[in-house]
Amino acid sequence: KQEVTQIPAALSVPEGENLVLNCSFTDSAIYNLQWFRQDPGKGLTSLLLIQSSQREQTSGRLNASLDKSSGRSTLYIAASQPGDSATYLCALGAGNNRKLIWGLGTSLAVNP
Amino acid sequence: DGGITQSPKYLFRKEGQNVTLSCEQNLNHDAMYWYRQDPGQGLRLIYYSQIVNDFQKGDIAEGYSVSREKKESFPLTVTSAQKNPTAFYLCASSIGLDRVAGYTFGSGTRLTVV
Repeated sequence: KQEVTQIPAALSVPEGENLVLNCSFTDSAIYNLQWFRQDPGKGLTSLLLIQSSQREQTSGRLNASLDKSSGRSTLYIAASQPGDSATYLCALGAGNNRKLIWGLGTSLAVNP
Repeated sequence: DGGITQSPKYLFRKEGQNVTLSCEQNLNHDAMYWYRQDPGQGLRLIYYSQIVNDFQKGDIAEGYSVSREKKESFPLTVTSAQKNPTAFYLCASSIGLDRVAGYTFGSGTRLTVV
């Protein structure tokens, strides 16, 4: 059974720091992996989508990598800002019906 | 702008009452989904629909019902059979159930039993 783990559960950093969020999974047979952002009490915003054939995707200060062989994805945030404070969730598209399998998220606080 | 609209933002349900959560999208997406989010738990899939007039149960469908009469709309009814309905409900859509599809989410409905 595919399981998704996000470590750490919470992270607090000073503004300007580069940081890495981790997402690990137990079965390498995935179709894609997505990173989402969720602000408190709000819906999810899609950040990056990596197809299984891809190694990484970049959008602005965000870079997501995918290593299926090691069962790991990382979300790199460069030069963090207080506005980056949110919960970051990773989700895998897997199985015959492509249902998403979710991690519990990393709650990020960027302090001014 | 294209997107997903969920309404209402907050909803209060009395014991034994059915309530319906609205989800409308103008993205021309074929697939739509309902998720439930509880503190300390990952998102859990309630129902999903790949096409009009077709839908499948997700992981926690008991006590819920849906319809998909129009491509744009996928309402969720929380019935009195759902014993613990207090949660944050999220609707999402994607182009289809294929490997290149990304997901778009609505802003959510917070349901509370009073």
